[in-house]
Amino acid sequence: SQTIHQWPATLVQPVGSPLSLECTVEGTSNPNLYWYRQAAGRGLQLLFYSVGIGQISSEVPQNLSASRPQDRQFILSSKKLLLSDSGFYLCAWSAGAQDGYTFGSGTRLTVV
Amino acid sequence: GQSLEQPSEVTAVEGAIVQINCTYQTSGFYGLSWYQQHDGGAPTFLSYNALDGLEETGRFSSFLSRSDSYGYLLLQELQMKDSASYFCAVRSGGFKTIFGAGTRLFVKA
Repeated sequence: SQTIHQWPATLVQPVGSPLSLECTVEGTSNPNLYWYRQAAGRGLQLLFYSVGIGQISSEVPQNLSASRPQDRQFILSSKKLLLSDSGFYLCAWSAGAQDGYTFGSGTRLTVV
Repeated sequence: GQSLEQPSEVTAVEGAIVQINCTYQTSGFYGLSWYQQHDGGAPTFLSYNALDGLEETGRFSSFLSRSDSYGYLLLQELQMKDSASYFCAVRSGGFKTIFGAGTRLFVKA
C-alpha cells in the first residue's frame, strides 16, 4: 500500500534562518506531489506541485522553493524565513481525482 | 477570481443529521471533493463528485449540482468523533485544486 512520510512534525525557527522540509512517498511510482500551507483556522493554499523529477510548478510567488531530486521525494525550502512563513505545511500525493489527495502528517512551522 | 464559500461553523446534536453547503466560483470545474480534518491532524479524503447527483459512503453522502455551482456534504447519525473541520475543494483544471476555508462542525451530546 502507498504511504507518505513527512518530517519534522514541528519546527521552531528564527527569522532569517533556512528551511528544509522533506516528504517521501512509498508504494507508488511517478506520483503527482504537492506542497500545501494552512494558516491557523484557514483553508489550504497550494504552494507547489510536481509531476516528475525536476519538474516544479509554483502557484504563489513567495519566499519558498521546492525541488524533486528523486521520483518519490519532494522538498520544500527557504533561504531566509519570514514571520509570515509560519503555518502548517502539508505534503500530498494523488493517484487520481476520484481518489483525492493523501496528505502527510504535516509540519507545524513557527517562525520567531 | 476563484472562490469557494462554506459556513464557518455548524453545531448539531449527537444522532442528528447535518448538511454542510459549498458554493463555488472557479474558472474551470472537474469535480468537487470533501475532506475531514481533526484538530492538529492532516485532512483526510471523504468523497469526490464529478457528475450531478448524490454519492453515498456509509454515514456520509455528497451531492453536486454543476448548474448551480453548488454541493453539500450530508452527515447522518452524528457521532462525537465527527467533530472536526470539513473542507470542500474544487479541481479547477490540470493539477490545481482550490480549497474552501472550512466548516467547523461541533457535535453536542
